[in-house]
Amino acid sequence: KNEVEQSPQNLTAQEGEFITINCSYSVGISALHWLQQHPGGGIVSLFMLSSGKKKHGRLIATINIQEKHSSLHITASHPRDSAVYICAVRYRKLIFGTGTRLQVFP
Amino acid sequence: ETGVTQTPRHLVMGMTNKKSLKCEQHLGHNAMYWYKQSAKKPLELMFVYNFKEQTENNSVPSRFSPECPNSSHLFLHLHTLQPEDSALYLCASSPRTSGRGFVETQYFGPGTRLLVL
Repeated sequence: KNEVEQSPQNLTAQEGEFITINCSYSVGISALHWLQQHPGGGIVSLFMLSSGKKKHGRLIATINIQEKHSSLHITASHPRDSAVYICAVRYRKLIFGTGTRLQVFP
Repeated sequence: ETGVTQTPRHLVMGMTNKKSLKCEQHLGHNAMYWYKQSAKKPLELMFVYNFKEQTENNSVPSRFSPECPNSSHLFLHLHTLQPEDSALYLCASSPRTSGRGFVETQYFGPGTRLLVL
């Protein structure tokens, strides 16, 4: 069992929908990454957070250290948001979730 | 464009070949990373360099040999690879590495897709 679990594994949505991707982890950490990987492999670091909430454009990330849980929300989703979203935490070494594949249809 | 470039973008090699992957960052960062991404598996951090010194080697087989001649360049030398080493190899950089329990924003290159026959 991976120390970092993401759900759902796959997600489809219609353009404009509100999207939530979840990440749970079983080890003690002080910070967590959300990454976006587009087809072809390129990875973009979206957020690094250690508490509370961060917002960037239509993306919002929250973390609850006590509950060992983080969520990534996308408001007013768009087809260009289609990508794999990856959660990562550092505990002795960097540990990644398996990703959530999001497809947004027009 | 993240400021991190990787060459080649695609590579096919036999098990007896020797090849090298190159990563270059134009961001003035001091830390560089090699990652492996296999199909349907989580990203795996392979090596970390901080100010040209290797600070992490996550049990990577010796057929993968990293080299960091300066803070802007990182190489991954490959020899006698196995078909299961076929994967996307990603390079990343950050201003510096951080202590355990802290994750710093990293900037990723586009990756080299490697196929070992």
